[in-house]
Order: sequence, then C-alpha cells, then structure tokens
Amino acid sequence: AQSVTQLGSHVSVSEGALVLLRCNYSSSVPPYLFWYVQYPNQGLQLLLKYTTGATLVKGINGFEAEFKKSETSFHLTKPSAHMSDAAEYFCAVSDLKAAGNKLTFGGGTRVLVKP
Amino acid sequence: EAGVTQSPTHLIKTRGQQATLRCSPISGHTSVYWYQQALGLGLQFLLWYDEGEERNRGNFPPRFSGRQFPNYSSELNVNALELEDSALYLCASIPGRSSYNEQFFGPGTRLTVL
Repeated sequence: AQSVTQLGSHVSVSEGALVLLRCNYSSSVPPYLFWYVQYPNQGLQLLLKYTTGATLVKGINGFEAEFKKSETSFHLTKPSAHMSDAAEYFCAVSDLKAAGNKLTFGGGTRVLVKP
Repeated sequence: EAGVTQSPTHLIKTRGQQATLRCSPISGHTSVYWYQQALGLGLQFLLWYDEGEERNRGNFPPRFSGRQFPNYSSELNVNALELEDSALYLCASIPGRSSYNEQFFGPGTRLTVL
C-alpha cells in the first residue's frame, strides 16, 4: 500500500520568507504526485502535479515542487510567503495499482503566515 | 464552467439516523470520488463511482454506501450514524479513468452527528 508522510503538521513563516513543506511517499511503482491546498471552509484546490517528465514542477500562486526519486520526496516551496498563503496543504499520491485514480493523502500541514 | 457542487453544506443528525449527501460533478466528468476528512484522521478515500458503477471502495464499513445516477451525479448514504462519522465529506470528479487526471473537489458537506 502506498503512503504519504508530511513532516510538520504546523508551519509558521514570516511574510516574504521561504515556504518549505516536506512530503515523502512510499510506492512500489513510479507514482503520480499532487499538492493540494485547502482554505478554511473550502474544498481542495490543486496547486501542482507530477506525472512524468520534468522533475521540477511549477504550479499556481508561485509554488513549485521537485520530484526526487532517490529520496522519495516531493517537497513544496515558495520563495516568498504571502498572507494569502495561510491555509492547509496536502500532499497526495495516486495509487496506480488500484482501480481508478484513488488518492492517498498525507496528514496535511497548516501554514501560518506572520506579518 | 461550474465546479463540483455538494449539498447540503451542513447536516446535523443524531446517532442511529441516516444521512444522505449529494454531489454534482463538473459537466462532462463521469467519475466521482468521495473522501472523508475527519478530525485527527486526515483525508481518507471512501468510494469511487464511474459510469454508474461502484469501482472501488476504501476501508469503511458497509453502512457507507452510495450510487451514481445516469447524469453522473452521486449520492453518499451513511446508515446507522455513529458519533465518529462526524466529518467533512468531500466529493471530487475527473473526466475519465486515467490516473493522471487531477481530481476537482467540491466544497464539502460537514456532517455532525450528535
């Protein structure tokens, strides 16, 4: 079974500082990887995804993530945090062995942005 | 283009009752997924419907069930509600079965069981 681990359930950053959210996964086959963001009282919005090809993936709102197979990691970064980045972020892996596109999520990281 | 919609926004039930949650996928999407987001348990896969059939289910008891209608909308039914069923239930849709299709999520239904 696949699993996703997000290091740190809460992260606090200053406005303008680097945002780094860590995600490690376990998978017996090359995975498809996703980062979603959830704002308060809302559903999930896709930030970016990795399927194949370039390992550095750029997403919306200035976020990017790098797939590192050797480290089984897919960390999310943003060079300069904005107040609007305060939200919960979820890393997810698509289970290619199971029927369909079931997503397995990490536990989530809540980001607080300090002015 | 309208996104995934879910109703109701909030639902309050008591133990032992049944709850029905509804989801309308994005127009043209044929697959619907249900997830449970419970406090302390994270996001867990519940059910997957495609072309009117249940294709996969997560590690949940049979009292969690659902169906998909010919217009691809979906219902999630939870029977014999228990306190631990209190959660945000998210619905997502994709255009087809391909694994690299991103899932588009609705805003969720918050179910509270008293």
